[in-house]
This record gives sequence, structure tokens and C-alpha cells, in this order.
Amino acid sequence: GIQVEQSPPDLILQEGANSTLRCNFSDSVNNLQWFHQNPWGQLINLFYIPSGTKQNGRLSATTVATERYSLLYISSSQTTDSGVYFCATYSGAGSYQLTFGKGTKLSVIP
Amino acid sequence: GAGVSQTPSNKVTEKGKYVELRCDPISGHTALYWYRQSLGQGPEFLIYFQGTGAADDSGLPNDRFFAVRPEGSVSTLKIQRTERGDSAVYLCASSPGTDLGYTFGSGTRLTVV
Repeated sequence: GIQVEQSPPDLILQEGANSTLRCNFSDSVNNLQWFHQNPWGQLINLFYIPSGTKQNGRLSATTVATERYSLLYISSSQTTDSGVYFCATYSGAGSYQLTFGKGTKLSVIP
Repeated sequence: GAGVSQTPSNKVTEKGKYVELRCDPISGHTALYWYRQSLGQGPEFLIYFQGTGAADDSGLPNDRFFAVRPEGSVSTLKIQRTERGDSAVYLCASSPGTDLGYTFGSGTRLTVV
């Protein structure tokens, strides 16, 4: 099945700083999603982005499918951005099983 | 409803008991998924429904696990003869279609003692 690797595994930011989270995948993808899991465990869908660039407020994401990576940008970070960020994609052709990376744990300190 | 609803939010059960976990997806979402998340890990796939049928149940760990979605809406994940290793957060998600983004529920935290 597809391999999904995220970096960095941990990130500490001062409030107001910007950051880039990376997701590499081992095969071509047709469903790439970014999620934020808050400290209470709720998984929030940030972006469905199999290709191209999307923006939503302070967050934006870019997927370059041909080079097998996706980036999540967080600008002007806030303490509420803390949590774990996961990228996920389908396991293979014809599969509807999302394979998640191990996540990036982000801590934003005031 | 407005979001994916899962009940109960917490369940503590004794080893060997039977449990049922319920998922109420977003109205109109035909695809429904169950995932399991252990502490410090990403969610792992269990089963996927398209409508009433289980289109892919290959993630179910063994035959103690079973899930149904009889009317194409609410789904129930059933675990027989629970073991301590079944302790985890069970997450349900739904989507309008398989090539669209998922909405996850808040999960059921299952603890087997």
C-alpha cells in the first residue's frame, strides 16, 4: 500500500509565527486530505486537495501530485492551532481506505 | 444533522462483554467509514459502506468485529467478546462521495477493563 510520511514530527512555534508542514507519499494520489486533531480529539477536515492550491483564512495547502508531496502552510499561528496535523490519502488504486501519516504535533505557545 | 454524531462518547466495559457503537452520518452522505485510533497513532481503517452495503471490510481486525448500516444512514459497529486490546477511540466519518472530503465525528472512546 501507499506510504505517507509527514515532517516534522513535532513543532513548537511562538504565537504569530508561520510554519510549513510537509506530507510525502509514495505513489500517485487521487484523494489527499489534511486534518487537524485538536487537543480534545476532534478531527477537523482542513482541505481536500488532490492537486493544486487552496486557501482558507490563515491556512493554505498545495499538492504537487507529480512530485508526490503536499504542503500545509499556517500563517500568524494562534494557540488554538495547537494539536496534531494529519495528511491522508487512499491506499491504492480502487481503494477507499484512507492511509494516514503519523502526524505533526504542533504546539503554539503565547 | 449538521455533523456526524457518535454515541456514546465514552464506553467502559468489562473484558468479554459485547458493545455497540453508533454513528449517525450527515444527512444525504452515501459513504460512511469506521476508523480506529490508538493513543499517539493516526486513525486506521476498519470498514467502508456505500449505501447499505459494506463495500470494503478488510480493515476489521477479526470476526469479533461487525458493522451494519441497514437503511443506508445510521451505522452500528458491534464488538463481541471484547478484549483489552480493543481499547481505542472509534471514529466514524461520512462523505457525499468517495472522491470528496470526509467529516469525522467526535469518536467513541472505548475502554475494556
